[in-house]
Amino acid sequence: AQTVTQSQPEMSVQEAETVTLSCTYDTSESNYYLFWYKQPPSRQMILVIRQEAYKQQNATENRFSVNFQKAAKSFSLKISDSQLGDTAMYFCAFMNTGFQKLVFGTGTRLLVSP
Amino acid sequence: SQTIHQWPATLVQPVGSPLSLECTVEGTSNPNLYWYRQAAGRGLQLLFYSVGIGQISSEVPQNLSASRPQDRQFILSSKKLLLSDSGFYLCAWSAGTVSYEQYFGPGTRLTVT
Repeated sequence: AQTVTQSQPEMSVQEAETVTLSCTYDTSESNYYLFWYKQPPSRQMILVIRQEAYKQQNATENRFSVNFQKAAKSFSLKISDSQLGDTAMYFCAFMNTGFQKLVFGTGTRLLVSP
Repeated sequence: SQTIHQWPATLVQPVGSPLSLECTVEGTSNPNLYWYRQAAGRGLQLLFYSVGIGQISSEVPQNLSASRPQDRQFILSSKKLLLSDSGFYLCAWSAGTVSYEQYFGPGTRLTVT
């Protein structure tokens, strides 16, 4: 079974700084998808960024980018120019291509301070 | 554009009482639908998913059940709630084979007392 591990329960960063959240996963599949979701205090899950395993190029969405290392099974999220609104829980998630089931990590709580 | 609704937003129920949570999606047809549960301080766990009307697959055996009476309606039910059923329940949809991205509703906070 696939597993997703987020080893940083909490992180803090100051406004305008850059922070990187770590995620590792375990799978025997060669093709799959990886996601980062944000859960603000409202608790609604918001899709931040996605990566297809067959793509070597790292995904980027505005201030959010990933470092996808397929051989190492690592998928970290970098947030540049952090903003107060980035304060939230961040979840890394894995999905097989054949079955649309998301497997989530336990999350990293990010606090952005002024 | 597509929107997903869940109600109620919060619910407090005694042990042994029934449960019905509803999820509806607008702006799309034949979506894949999902029910997830988030226990306090933890990630999400898939409970049920559906690829069409009347088609339900269960991921975790428990005293919960799901039904899909209409294309864009997904219901989570229980005949008798347990204390361990407390949590945050999230419904999600995806466009099936068109897109693998899942989009979540606002969630229902359930407290079983």
